[in-house]
Amino acid sequence: AQSVTQLGSHVSVSEGALVLLRCNYSSSVPPYLFWYVQYPNQGLQLLLKYTSAATLVKGINGFEAEFKKSETSFHLTKPSAHMSDAAEYFCAARGGYQKVTFGTGTKLQVIP
Amino acid sequence: DTGVSQNPRHKITKRGQNVTFRCDPISEHNRLYWYRQTLGQGPEFLTYFQNEAQLEKSRLLSDRFSAERPKGSFSTLEIQRTEQGDSAMYLCASSRDAQQETQYFGPGTRLLVL
Repeated sequence: AQSVTQLGSHVSVSEGALVLLRCNYSSSVPPYLFWYVQYPNQGLQLLLKYTSAATLVKGINGFEAEFKKSETSFHLTKPSAHMSDAAEYFCAARGGYQKVTFGTGTKLQVIP
Repeated sequence: DTGVSQNPRHKITKRGQNVTFRCDPISEHNRLYWYRQTLGQGPEFLTYFQNEAQLEKSRLLSDRFSAERPKGSFSTLEIQRTEQGDSAMYLCASSRDAQQETQYFGPGTRLLVL
């Protein structure tokens, strides 16, 4: 069974600063890993996914994440935050055909 | 590709009433998932279908909840005798039938039980 832990329910960064959202997973098998973004009153939009092809995954809107098996981590980064990045971000994991397990989410605030 | 659609987007009901939500997946997707998201939490899995077959149900899905996908296309989620604790966002997602396929989410139906 999968479990996903997101460290920090709220993260604030200044516009133009580095964004780092942390995610750790626990799994007995190599999982598929995802980052989704959710804007208020909307569904989830896929930012990027890791499927074992490459450890550094690039996604939309300038986001990327690195899979580190030794640390069981899949942290999301963006070099320079933009006001439009303010949203809630969910890390998720899935093993094979199993359901997706989500973390509790991190709300990103971008300060002008 | 028109995306996953859900109707209604919002539903307010009184405790004890029945409600039904509809999800239309992306047309070529065989798998359809239902999730529930409460305030401050990530989505929690409820159930999923492969074509018309319901293959897994979460313990969260009490006897008051029932989901169908009769023709392997759209799906409905019904909640009978709603309770205030059922208030949540109900999300539907669909994917192709392959291990690494991404689940694409609809906009959700927000339910408020008074």
